[in-house]
Amino acid sequence: DAKTTQPPSMDCAEGRAANLPCNHSTISGNEYVYWYRQIHSQGPQYIIHGLKNNETNEMASLIITEDRKSSTLILPHATLRDTAVYYCIVSLNSGGSNYKLTFGKGTLLTVNP
Amino acid sequence: GAVVSQHPSWVICKSGTSVKIECRSLDFQATTMFWYRQFPKQSLMLMATSNEGSKATYEQGVEKDKFLINHASLTLSTLTVTSAHPEDSSFYICSAIRRGHSYEQYFGPGTRLTVT
Repeated sequence: DAKTTQPPSMDCAEGRAANLPCNHSTISGNEYVYWYRQIHSQGPQYIIHGLKNNETNEMASLIITEDRKSSTLILPHATLRDTAVYYCIVSLNSGGSNYKLTFGKGTLLTVNP
Repeated sequence: GAVVSQHPSWVICKSGTSVKIECRSLDFQATTMFWYRQFPKQSLMLMATSNEGSKATYEQGVEKDKFLINHASLTLSTLTVTSAHPEDSSFYICSAIRRGHSYEQYFGPGTRLTVT
């Protein structure tokens, strides 16, 4: 079973920031938080990951609470192409075959014009 | 960079026949490849993990004699669905981990299998 809880759907206006929450209250100390997204009928795409510090890359920012029990993915300026299912996943990062992703139901983000 | 391709992108086959799906890492060597299955309106489910030159490790409930995985090289893994049945109709997706970038799985575009 997935170890995360996400809202099933969210809406966002084009050009505005999209803030996607994720609850992972049972995360263990050596597990990372990963975010992937899946555009309809395509393979998932990696977005970002973090352990305990906030992270930012060209796609998004990841804010992890101090107790690590929840996190928020921020898309700073959402576009129509960001409409997708967003998955928050916790996983050990011990590399190779030990790096397993357990996908939950994710959040369907719909960006509206 | 880091492109993963799958072939075919879609396939229709008759019940009882076998279907082979290829997963290739086009511009990197994949230390590990994964195979997932996704039914309509559901999430991805991991089927198996494979490393080049060794036997695949299957997830609980996945029949290894039905879903044959061959990881022949650092850039190619194949999934063969043997004696396919209509309930095997699904979206099959592979992913690969690039050497030195263990934090990211690169996913293929998926293969839509329909068994009639």
